[in-house]
Amino acid sequence: DGGITQSPKYLFRKEGQNVTLSCEQNLNHDAMYWYRQDPGQGLRLIYYSQIVNDFQKGDIAEGYSVSREKKESFPLTVTSAQKNPTAFYLCASSVSNKQFFGPGTRLTVL
Amino acid sequence: DAKTTQPNSMESNEEEPVHLPCNHSTISGTDYIHWYRQLPSQGPEYVIHGLTSNVNNRMASLAIAEDRKSSTLILHRATLRDAAVYYCILRDRGSSNTGKLIFGQGTTLQVKP
Repeated sequence: DGGITQSPKYLFRKEGQNVTLSCEQNLNHDAMYWYRQDPGQGLRLIYYSQIVNDFQKGDIAEGYSVSREKKESFPLTVTSAQKNPTAFYLCASSVSNKQFFGPGTRLTVL
Repeated sequence: DAKTTQPNSMESNEEEPVHLPCNHSTISGTDYIHWYRQLPSQGPEYVIHGLTSNVNNRMASLAIAEDRKSSTLILHRATLRDAAVYYCILRDRGSSNTGKLIFGQGTTLQVKP
């Protein structure tokens, strides 16, 4: 089945540690996105990539980094510089005006 | 980006139609109206989108006002599985479009059996 996978579903880390969230898609989409969602809120854009080896900052990029070495993969690193990293992280890809979202990773920093 | 306004929450009975309103009085001529929904603890999923004419698909219908300053998402027969947060989003179809979606807080739909 075609789709977007994110792993792991739940992730716990100690404060001060960097952590990388995985996002893989087999939909052959060029564009990919990372969003963050806090409880009771809508999604906010962290980073996006419209093509391999290129990516742009979204609205809340501080404390995050990404790479796009392959079309299928768009990993997100949450660094120790991110002040409030505990959140629900969603990856998406898009084609023809539609975005397709993964199941999300819920990150808790202790 | 033009903004949308939606009620925070709505209730419906199972098997009945649901009309979810969205106001977008500052919409530009090149903005598409998109609807996504998010079930609890899941990623959002695309529902429908349109520009000027009403649109129908297997999930829902989208009714767009003639002046485009408001729209309504219609679920023809609500089921318990339709309980979700529904987001109305404007997306510019222009050449500078990054493809990003700007999510508000949406409407939380409760469906009662």
